[in-house]
Amino acid sequence: AQTVTQSQPEMSVQEAETVTLSCTYDTSENNYYLFWYKQPPSRQMILVIRQEAYKQQNATENRFSVNFQKAAKSFSLKISDSQLGDTAMYFCATRLWGNNDMRFGAGTRLTVKP
Amino acid sequence: EPEVTQTPSHQVTQMGQEVILRCVPISNHLYFYWYRQILGQKVEFLVSFYNNEISEKSEIFDDQFSVERPDGSNFTLKIRSTKLEDSAMYFCASSVREMNTEAFFGQGTRLTVV
Repeated sequence: AQTVTQSQPEMSVQEAETVTLSCTYDTSENNYYLFWYKQPPSRQMILVIRQEAYKQQNATENRFSVNFQKAAKSFSLKISDSQLGDTAMYFCATRLWGNNDMRFGAGTRLTVKP
Repeated sequence: EPEVTQTPSHQVTQMGQEVILRCVPISNHLYFYWYRQILGQKVEFLVSFYNNEISEKSEIFDDQFSVERPDGSNFTLKIRSTKLEDSAMYFCASSVREMNTEAFFGQGTRLTVV
């Protein structure tokens, strides 16, 4: 079974600073996908970034990047130049290849302070 | 920009009553999902639906739950006889293909069972 652990229930960062949200997971499979979703106070979850486990190169999307360590089963999210609009719950999730059952972590509540 | 819409945003129901949560997925999407998030807990997968049938379901999705796509646009989750522990946020999601591609989530329906 897959499990996803986000060990930081809450974090805060000053505007324009960089913050890293941690995520570890446990799976015995080799082919899977990893996701970070953002859930702003308006409640709609939005995909931030996606990583295929077979790719060694870390995914990046503008100010968002991941540090994917497959051997360590770690998938952290780095937000550079934090903006007030980044304030949200962030969920890490995994999904096995060929499976629709996406497993989420408990989430990290990030607050960006002006 | 196309989005997944859910109605109602908040539903209060008495224990033992049937409730139907409604979702309108993005029009060209083929895969549909329901997730729930009990307050303070993880987002949990309930069910996925493709080609007018359930493709996967979790252990949470017991006989009290059913899903339907009654027409070309709506995707519903029915809880036959609600229990107090069914109180949660219920999220609908859809994707063009399976969830290795981006899944778009609705804003959720908060179900309160009293």
